[in-house]
Amino acid sequence: LAKTTQPISMDSYEGQEVNITCSHNNIATNDYITWYQQFPSQGPRFIIQGYKTKVTNEVASLFIPADRKSSTLSLPRVSLSDTAVYYCLVGSTTSGTYKYIFGTGTRLKVLA
Amino acid sequence: GAVVSQHPSRVICKSGTSVKIECRSLDFQATTMFWYRQFPKQSLMLMATSNEGSKATYEQGVEKDKFLINHASLTLSTLTVTSAHPEDSSFYICSARSPDGRANYGYTFGSGTRLTVV
Repeated sequence: LAKTTQPISMDSYEGQEVNITCSHNNIATNDYITWYQQFPSQGPRFIIQGYKTKVTNEVASLFIPADRKSSTLSLPRVSLSDTAVYYCLVGSTTSGTYKYIFGTGTRLKVLA
Repeated sequence: GAVVSQHPSRVICKSGTSVKIECRSLDFQATTMFWYRQFPKQSLMLMATSNEGSKATYEQGVEKDKFLINHASLTLSTLTVTSAHPEDSSFYICSARSPDGRANYGYTFGSGTRLTVV
């Protein structure tokens, strides 16, 4: 059962780049790393997913070292609207069903 | 993209009554859906895995008789909170794996249901 560890909270200022690191020491060979964003009273929203090296999309980049035991979500030039909880997820297969077990997440607060 | 719809978004019920929450995959079929609950300022906790045409699989510590799950079609899973009590008040969220052919990609979450038991 892969588990993830993230900082509980982070503060940043508008326009800065934010990097959130997640530790997943027990990641399995076939597991992907997925990051979600959650606003209050809403369901999590997919941000980015990767397996190794670097992945970039229109909102974020994901850096995964060769050993895959950690990953870093990078949010360029954050704005106030990026204030949310960010979850790093690694799937877990139990009885043949692939499912997500959520860790604590990182509560990001963007300040003006 | 894949959309998962939950209904209702908010519900208030009296203690002792039952409440049903629906989770629908709008533009894809989902053989497996997941139900989570989330208390204020806490993370999502997986409650159960809903399997189309078969019994749900509950996580340890979740009362199956309390939280009834039915996955009668490939686009609908329901969670019924039976004999609700104030401690069942929470935010319930469902998710489904959208079918893009990759085993690890595309879990879409619903918008959640805020249940308040009074």
